[in-house]
Amino acid sequence: KQEVTQIPAALSVPEGENLVLNCSFTDSAIYNLQWFRQDPGKGLTSLLLIQSSQREQTSGRLNASLDKSSGRSTLYIAASQPGDSATYLCAVIGTSGTYKYIFGTGTRLKVLA
Amino acid sequence: DAGITQSPRHKVTETGTPVTLRCHQTENHRYMYWYRQDPGHGLRLIHYSYGVKDTDKGEVSDGYSVSRSKTEDFLLTLESATSSQTSVYFCAIKSGEVSYEQYFGPGTRLTVT
Repeated sequence: KQEVTQIPAALSVPEGENLVLNCSFTDSAIYNLQWFRQDPGKGLTSLLLIQSSQREQTSGRLNASLDKSSGRSTLYIAASQPGDSATYLCAVIGTSGTYKYIFGTGTRLKVLA
Repeated sequence: DAGITQSPRHKVTETGTPVTLRCHQTENHRYMYWYRQDPGHGLRLIHYSYGVKDTDKGEVSDGYSVSRSKTEDFLLTLESATSSQTSVYFCAIKSGEVSYEQYFGPGTRLTVT
């Protein structure tokens, strides 16, 4: 059974710092991995999607990498800003053909001004 | 936002009453999903649908039923609401036949008293 873990559960950093969020999964047979952002009381917003054949994806100050063999993905945020404060979740979808997504429990990020 | 709406956005109901939540999408996506989000548990799949009248269970389906009579609408019903079903419910769609990217609705906050 696929399990997705995100450590740490919470992170507080000063503005301007570069930071890395981690996502680990137990079964490497994934089709893709997706990173989301969730603001308090809101829905999930898709940030980046990495297909299993890709090693990384970039969007602005965000860069996500994927290492299937080690069961890890990282989300790198450059030059963090207070507006980046949110919960970040990762999710994987397997290759079994059932199209079910498994989510991590998220990392709650606070960027201090 | 993939044109996903949920109704109602907030609901308070009493234990033992039936409740139906609606998810509506405007872009003709085949796959639709219902999740619940609870502190400490992250997002858990309740049911999903892969076409009109085609549905399957997720990991926390007990006490919930779904129906999909039209491509655009996916209904989640709590037959007899219990306090343990107090949660935030999210609807999502799977976009595309290659990327499998997920997009989420704004959520419904349900309180069972």
